[in-house]
Amino acid sequence: QKEVEQDPGPLSVPEGAIVSLNCTYSNSAFQYFMWYRQYSRKGPELLMYTYSSGNKEDGRFTAQVDKSSKYISLFIRDSQPSDSATYLCATPAGGFQKLVFGTGTRLLVSP
Amino acid sequence: DADVTQTPRNRITKTGKRIMLECSQTKGHDRMYWYRQDPGLGLRLIYYSFDVKDINKGEISDGYSVSRQAQAKFSLSLESAIPNQTALYFCATSDSGQGAGETQYFGPGTRLLVL
Repeated sequence: QKEVEQDPGPLSVPEGAIVSLNCTYSNSAFQYFMWYRQYSRKGPELLMYTYSSGNKEDGRFTAQVDKSSKYISLFIRDSQPSDSATYLCATPAGGFQKLVFGTGTRLLVSP
Repeated sequence: DADVTQTPRNRITKTGKRIMLECSQTKGHDRMYWYRQDPGLGLRLIYYSFDVKDINKGEISDGYSVSRQAQAKFSLSLESAIPNQTALYFCATSDSGQGAGETQYFGPGTRLLVL
């Protein structure tokens, strides 16, 4: 079983929709979770970072961790065409600072 | 100027050739990483280095080697390229001073095609 799993998409939504992107993880010891955003022909960049359980909000973006089900989510409110990108979840693994990434979900927001 | 640069940005090579991908950073970070990205497989770690004298294998190091020439430079070599090494390669850096869950900063990537 992969340490982090993610639906590859693509996920297509109209502008203004609420988007839900999800990952599951295998190890209950994982505590830190990140969401990276990758635009086409660019490197990933950190979007949000959460620790343990609960929600973290940053503008239109909300990251949520449910440790009981080992499920992490990224919600995007009022989605915009500029949100079209691949979103990767990640977590440090192996007891040191090595990130394990999900495969990424490609999001397409149409005007 | 970009903080993490990669050269070349695109490369076409033939099976059996030796090639080197280079990464430079101006962020002053001590940790550097090489990943490859393939459709459906995501980002996979090839090698990582926590300082100039430290080199570690990642998930998929076979067929690759690295050199950390300086704190700011980390190069990836394919000793004898094969077609299944066709992929998008990313260099990344991070600062150990951030503690657990540190942010990694990625370069723009090198698109490699092995014929």
